[in-house]
Amino acid sequence: GPKVLQIPSHQIIDMGQMVTLNCDPVSNHLYFYWYKQILGQQMEFLVNFYNGKVMEKSKLFKDQFSVERPDGSYFTLKIQPTALEDSAVYFCASSLSSPGYEQYFGPGTRLTVL
Amino acid sequence: GDSVTQTEGLVTLTEGLPVMLNCTYQSTYSPFLFWYVQHLNEAPKLLLKSFTDNKRPEHQGFHATLHKSSSSFHLQKSSAQLSDSALYYCALSEAGNTGKLIFGLGTTLQVQP
Repeated sequence: GPKVLQIPSHQIIDMGQMVTLNCDPVSNHLYFYWYKQILGQQMEFLVNFYNGKVMEKSKLFKDQFSVERPDGSYFTLKIQPTALEDSAVYFCASSLSSPGYEQYFGPGTRLTVL
Repeated sequence: GDSVTQTEGLVTLTEGLPVMLNCTYQSTYSPFLFWYVQHLNEAPKLLLKSFTDNKRPEHQGFHATLHKSSSSFHLQKSSAQLSDSALYYCALSEAGNTGKLIFGLGTTLQVQP
């Protein structure tokens, strides 16, 4: 079936540095999502994106976070600067439409902030 | 606010026995309900979804009926297989919303020989 790719699979950085997480969504999908999962906790919605704009962001989506999809390439999540509490697995997802449509998930990027 | 509750963190079964994973929810309006399955080191994948009260979608031997009267969407299978061992998430998305998914904590299903 359709696949969502995430690069890198693991990232270790020092607190205060910038990090960009990359997502290659399903090619004809129009809606894009980021979710965050801290170890042992549930997956939580961060932000979704459609037609070049953020549709909704949660309270977890701090001012240090930003998303973009320049020219239909990767959908990215940038954190600048990073904090210790940003350590988590970040899942990207995409869907053809919304709401109620299947979201296809990537395998996640494990971010460790030291 | 909207929420999803999965009461069991871990369910351990012997192969061939029936599976039932619980999911209840709180929702402001009319939600879509989903079951996603995540095998080890893989991405979560959709197993089932429903929007219609009392309908029973089925996939890969699993089924779940959305009961709006009890706000439940329990996942069932008549006979567990070793390959069913995975993490199962129940999630909801409000109709008319932006499509964000609200997840439960997840239930790990371990099927033993």
